[in-house]
Amino acid sequence: EVQLLESGGGLVQPGGSLRLSCAASGFAFSIYAMTWVRQAPGKGLEWVSTINYNGVGAYYADSVKGRFTISRDDSKNTLYLQMNSLSAEDTAVYYCACDSSGYYYYFDSWGQGTLVTVSS
Amino acid sequence: DIQMTQSPSSLSASVGDRVTITCRASQGISTYLAWYQQKLGKVPKLLIYAASTLQSGVPSRFSGSGSETDFTLTISSLQPEDVATYYCQKYNSAPLTFGGGTKVELK
Repeated sequence: EVQLLESGGGLVQPGGSLRLSCAASGFAFSIYAMTWVRQAPGKGLEWVSTINYNGVGAYYADSVKGRFTISRDDSKNTLYLQMNSLSAEDTAVYYCACDSSGYYYYFDSWGQGTLVTVSS
Repeated sequence: DIQMTQSPSSLSASVGDRVTITCRASQGISTYLAWYQQKLGKVPKLLIYAASTLQSGVPSRFSGSGSETDFTLTISSLQPEDVATYYCQKYNSAPLTFGGGTKVELK
């Protein structure tokens, strides 16, 4: 069974940085593309970033490009999201997600999410 | 980038009603379209992928159709447990855009 557990969220000041982690278990993490999706309070789902199974291909929403970096450590079965230059608009629950077949970019497996609050 | 537009943004229906939600892509995406259900305070749940393939365990009252630019999610007989917000998502290529969501409530 695929299990995803996010951590690293919290309160950060505008302009600050935060690194989120997603610990994966129950599947062959190294051969799966992984994705971050966020949801601002009371708002809809927003795709943030995806990294391919080999870590070579990484894709970003325009809203985070140049500020966020997605990465993975296959030896630790962990996905990361380094977030810099944070603003109030980045306040959201951040989910990691994947397709358990490993082939597609829809998401049948989700973590419980970690809340990031950007405020002074 | 391809935009995904859902309609309506909200609807109210009675138990047993047939409910239809539409998702429109600004360019053709073949059938690379997924639908999700998100109940209040919960994690999104995949309902349908490839525009019309029902995810394992999802009740058969849910169905999807469409291709290229026009897609539909149908609930054939609305149940109280279907109260939720529904999202479409394109996954043919990045950006993997979600629609704005459709909130389904009971009348």
